[in-house]
Amino acid sequence: GNSVTQMEGPVTLSEEAFLTINCTYTATGYPSLFWYVQYPGEGLQLLLKATKADDKGSNKGFEATYRKETTSFHLEKGSVQVSDSAVYFCALSYNFNKFYFGSGTKLNVKP
Amino acid sequence: DAGVIQSPRHEVTEMGQEVTLRCKPISGHNSLFWYRQTMMRGLELLIYFNNNVPIDDSGMPEDRFSAKMPNASFSTLKIQPSEPRDSAVYFCASSPGLAGGRNYEQYFGPGTRLTVT
Repeated sequence: GNSVTQMEGPVTLSEEAFLTINCTYTATGYPSLFWYVQYPGEGLQLLLKATKADDKGSNKGFEATYRKETTSFHLEKGSVQVSDSAVYFCALSYNFNKFYFGSGTKLNVKP
Repeated sequence: DAGVIQSPRHEVTEMGQEVTLRCKPISGHNSLFWYRQTMMRGLELLIYFNNNVPIDDSGMPEDRFSAKMPNASFSTLKIQPSEPRDSAVYFCASSPGLAGGRNYEQYFGPGTRLTVT
């Protein structure tokens, strides 16, 4: 079946620290991969995406590379800010646009 | 574009009452999704529609839950009768759908926070 596993949080970092949130997936075909972000009290927003192997998605300083050989799509940012504090969801889309979301990783960035 | 619109934003009701949540997808999108989010279970897909037709309702918890999409610009999620364990944030999302083998991203509404007392 299709599923997404991401690291449990919360992740607590100091401002300007390097961020990695791990995400691995299981899929029977060639899914598209996404990272969504959810700020408190809001819906999920698309952060970045990659539609095929070796693609790199990037946005707002965040990056993730679609690694088919390791079935991974880890989220990284070189220098986090307090405003990045949110919950981050990894997801895959396959077969008529149904999405499979991970459980979410809460990021807390301290000044 | 106004994005996905959900109403109401907050709903407080008593156990046993009927609750109706509403969603207006982004114009031109032909896929619509209903999700439920709780601390215990995270984000759960309840049902999704493609071209107004329900494609997968396997996530609907039980018969008390029903969803309709009478046209391309409106969908409802109804709970009758409601129970305290239905308390959650309910999200609606829409997507351009699947075209030429490409999976498009989903666009989420702000959610409806439901509290059943």
